[in-house]
Amino acid sequence: DGGITQSPKYLFRKEGQNVTLSCEQNLNHDAMYWYRQDPGQGLRLIYYSQIVNDFQKGDIAEGYSVSREKKESFPLTVTSAQKNPTAFYLCASSISGGTVDTQYFGPGTRLTVL
Amino acid sequence: KQEVTQIPAALSVPEGENLVLNCSFTDSAIYNLQWFRQDPGKGLTSLLLIQSSQREQTSGRLNASLDKSSGRSTLYIAASQPGDSATYLCAATQGSQGNLIFGKGTKLSVKP
Repeated sequence: DGGITQSPKYLFRKEGQNVTLSCEQNLNHDAMYWYRQDPGQGLRLIYYSQIVNDFQKGDIAEGYSVSREKKESFPLTVTSAQKNPTAFYLCASSISGGTVDTQYFGPGTRLTVL
Repeated sequence: KQEVTQIPAALSVPEGENLVLNCSFTDSAIYNLQWFRQDPGKGLTSLLLIQSSQREQTSGRLNASLDKSSGRSTLYIAASQPGDSATYLCAATQGSQGNLIFGKGTKLSVKP
């Protein structure tokens, strides 16, 4: 089955720790995205990548980092510099990142800071 | 800066009713407008994508319209069912790299 997988589904972090969220896709899509969703809010773009070894900051990149070493993988690291990391994190991909492409979303990871 | 607004924030209707969800955007320079469905604690499922040159798109009981000049899109759901209960999000695509600007969503509840 083709699709986007995110792991883990739930993640708990102590203050001051870095954590990495996994996102893998087997759709052969070039573009991948990370969004953050807070209760009652729309999604906000953290980082996106349109090609391997290249990525750009979104609207709320501070306190986050990403890598894109492989086409199918786009991990997100939430660093200790992120002041309020508790949220629902969604990964998405699209064929080429162009303006006519639909974005396909993974099931999400819920991060809670203890 | 583009802002996307969805009204109402929540809507409860009896089964079988036809309903309209509203989405407005402040900058008409969009490439397309997408509607998504989100079930509690889940990811998003794409419902319809309307290109900027199009006026509407249909899929089954769903019909989405786009009026760029007035900065509005509507999602029409015919003969609503309890299984339609979810949060519906609209998103405008801005920039040549396909970045989405999301509204906060409308939480729909269809009562049996």
